[in-house]
Amino acid sequence: DSGVTQTPKHLITATGQRVTLRCSPRSGDLSVYWYQQSLDQGLQFLIQYYNGEERAKGNILERFSAQQFPDLHSELNLSSLELGDSALYFCASSAQNEQFFGPGTRLTVL
Amino acid sequence: DQQVKQNSPSLSVQEGRISILNCDYTNSMFDYFLWYKKYPAEGPTFLISISSIKDKNEDGRFTVFLNKSAKHLSLHIVPSQPGDSAVYFCAASAPNFGNEKLTFGTGTRLTIIP
Repeated sequence: DSGVTQTPKHLITATGQRVTLRCSPRSGDLSVYWYQQSLDQGLQFLIQYYNGEERAKGNILERFSAQQFPDLHSELNLSSLELGDSALYFCASSAQNEQFFGPGTRLTVL
Repeated sequence: DQQVKQNSPSLSVQEGRISILNCDYTNSMFDYFLWYKKYPAEGPTFLISISSIKDKNEDGRFTVFLNKSAKHLSLHIVPSQPGDSAVYFCAASAPNFGNEKLTFGTGTRLTIIP
């Protein structure tokens, strides 16, 4: 158990819809990272928040957004969903160099 | 542009033997390298890491070797055990003042044969 929690575990929705994925970092970690893993691919960095502020953006679509709240949990919002958005979405938290990953949310867009 | 490459999608090794997983990178700014292990339906689990100031780091059965001139690192697992069967991801980060985002390879599926 990494100490990072993600909900929901699975999400099935239709094209055009909007979903919110939630992540709670390890106690004391200020940084939260979001990654997307599509089928048979490596993890692609989407966005990082540090203590409530956006720190860096990666390959994140404009239809996607995130935020980190004062209690340090983070939400990833995916809108106008397309079939190609079906993937595993992981969040990770870190204090220093190592990142610790949650179990992921499997999103299926039908 | 794949900055971190794992050219072997899969590897099968006999139990008790050595498993060697390889990773190449192209970005010379990377200064920290990590290996993660992933089981199905779980998130990646941190395994071992190495800083660019070292060429070897060992933790129990796991050793990571870094060859900076060749931009190559490898993970050695010895002896291999059935529980080591998983997908292994190599990852790298560059110093960026608090944004140590990880760039991942595509993974190598290791199967340990009993």
